[in-house]
Formats: sequence, C-alpha cells, structure tokens
Amino acid sequence: AQTIHQWPVAEIKAVGSPLSLGCTIKGKSSPNLYWYWQATGGTLQQLFYSITVGQVESVVQLNLSASRPKDDQFILSTEKLLLSHSGFYLCAWSLGWGGFAETLYFGSGTRLTVL
Amino acid sequence: QEKVQQSPESLIVPEGAMVSLNCSFSDSASQSIWWYQQHPGKGPKALISIFSNGNKKEGRLTVYLNRASLHVSLHIKDSQPSDSAVYLCAVDTEGADRLTFGKGTQLIIQP
Repeated sequence: AQTIHQWPVAEIKAVGSPLSLGCTIKGKSSPNLYWYWQATGGTLQQLFYSITVGQVESVVQLNLSASRPKDDQFILSTEKLLLSHSGFYLCAWSLGWGGFAETLYFGSGTRLTVL
Repeated sequence: QEKVQQSPESLIVPEGAMVSLNCSFSDSASQSIWWYQQHPGKGPKALISIFSNGNKKEGRLTVYLNRASLHVSLHIKDSQPSDSAVYLCAVDTEGADRLTFGKGTQLIIQP
C-alpha cells in the first residue's frame, strides 16, 4: 500500500527566516507530485507539480520554490518567509498517467504560522 | 481562469437526512469534476468523480453533472455524524495546468 508522509507536522517561524517542508511517498514508483496551500478560511491552491525527478512546474507564484531530488521526495522551501506564507501546506500524489484528471492522495499537511 | 463556486457555505442536518451540496464552474471546457472530503487538520480525501453528463452512484453518494448549466451536485443518503466535514468541489479544465478547488461546504450532521 502507498503511504505519504509529510514533515514537520507544524512550524512556527519568524518573518524573514528560511523554510523547508518535505514529503515522501512510499510504495509507488514515479508518481506525479503536488504542493498545495490553504490559507486559513481560504481556497486550496495548487502551487507546484512534478512529473519526474528534477523537473518541477510552478503554478502559483508565492515566493516559494520546490524541488524533487528523488523519485519519492518533494521539497518546498523559501529563503525568506513572509506573513502571507502562513497556512496549511499539503503534499499530494497521483498515479501519473492521466494528467490532472486523476485521484489526488493527500498527506496530513503542515500547519505553518509566520510571526 | 476556471472559477468554482460552492453552496451553501455551511449546512446542519439531523442524522439520517439526505444532504445536497452544490457546485458551479465557469469553464465549459471542464473535464472531470471531483468531490473531496476534508476533516479538520487533515488532508482532503477523494470521494467521487464524474466526467460524463448525467449521474453516478457509489454507495451512499450520488453525483449529478449538468454541463449545459455548468453545475454539479453531490447527494449523501442516510447521513451519519462521521460525514461531518468540509466538502470540496474540484474541477479539471482542459488545457489548464491545475485542478481548481472551490472554497467548500462545511457539513455538520447532528446525532
């Protein structure tokens, strides 16, 4: 069975500090990977997606970057956090054959508070 | 850009009632429409999707899609307290690089 693990579960960070969030998918080779962001009370927005190792497409610009260093790992990062980065960050995967018309399997998310 | 509107914003119903949730989308080039369920502090979980005009039933869930009116609805039969969650409608649009989500409907089932 496939599992998705996100870390950390929660972060409290200062404005201007760096950030690194991660997720790992086990039990599925070459999945499509996604980062989503949900501001408190806001809509779930897709930030990045990756179809293969080393390739990441940006969907929404939020002064964040993403990387896929391994087939099963997806990293979200920034060098300088803004207050507007606060929210709930979700990693997701899909089977990788049907584009966006596929079931997304989400992780449990990381709650980020920027002070 | 695709816009997805959900109604109502929130809904409280007694256990056992039929629940109806609505979703309107803006782009007629939309492909699949998905419904996700999200419990507090958790990631969304896919419930059901539909591509063709008409309806699709899975267990207690039925989804109706009307492409002419750009509208899709989700119906939950015999609702249970464990169905209490936020329900998200998501639309996949041809040529788009993303799945577009609505803001969600907060559903509370009272025992």
